Amino acid sequence: GAVVSQHPSRVICKSGTSVKIECRSLDFQATTMFWYRQFPKQSLMLMATSNEGSKATYEQGVEKDKFLINHASLTLSTLTVTSAHPEDSSFYICSARMAGVDEQYFGPGTRLTVT
Amino acid sequence: AQSVTQPDIHITVSEGASLELRCNYSYGATPYLFWYVQSPGQGLQLLLKYFSGDTLVQGIKGFEAEFKRSQSSFNLRKPSVHWSDAAEYFCAVRYGGSQGNLIFGKGTKLSVKP
Repeated sequence: GAVVSQHPSRVICKSGTSVKIECRSLDFQATTMFWYRQFPKQSLMLMATSNEGSKATYEQGVEKDKFLINHASLTLSTLTVTSAHPEDSSFYICSARMAGVDEQYFGPGTRLTVT
Repeated sequence: AQSVTQPDIHITVSEGASLELRCNYSYGATPYLFWYVQSPGQGLQLLLKYFSGDTLVQGIKGFEAEFKRSQSSFNLRKPSVHWSDAAEYFCAVRYGGSQGNLIFGKGTKLSVKP
């Protein structure tokens, strides 16, 4: 149980375009979802936290207009990277937490490459 | 600033040998401590966690970790490593109870020699 999926697993896009990454909780309702970014040989950095039906809370230094997060249902959150640039190339990981359970369940990640 | 340090970027051990991965955290308040494992193409999987109580905690896959407040450490151990343990291991800390955010170390890559 407690499986989180991400789609796509890999995506390549051209500079200036937008790309959407989906995060789904497959067998539970996720009241809170988290988006992380991971650079090579670096730790996971929290980008934002979203609660279902509410606006996401972004960490300091993360551009909310560039990284649009939507958590419209209890099983789906999306991260849209707008006007992507090569420096946005990274590994994006989501996690989900259900109400009353003190644990995050992580998705497998999405490798974004901006050319 | 709150931080987690994993001093070893890459460790290689022989199959059957014992393993210890180091983790130190920076803040003095009571932390919640976690170890995760990440295999290629897989999400992070929780190995074990420490919130309070017995400072030696048992996890899945034969792993254990010991919280040492005096050393601000939470090292991960396994008495006999299997080839399937080859993966990336992340230590994480959380402050502020269940509403706090996870702070991750940079990870330690474990390779296992046959």
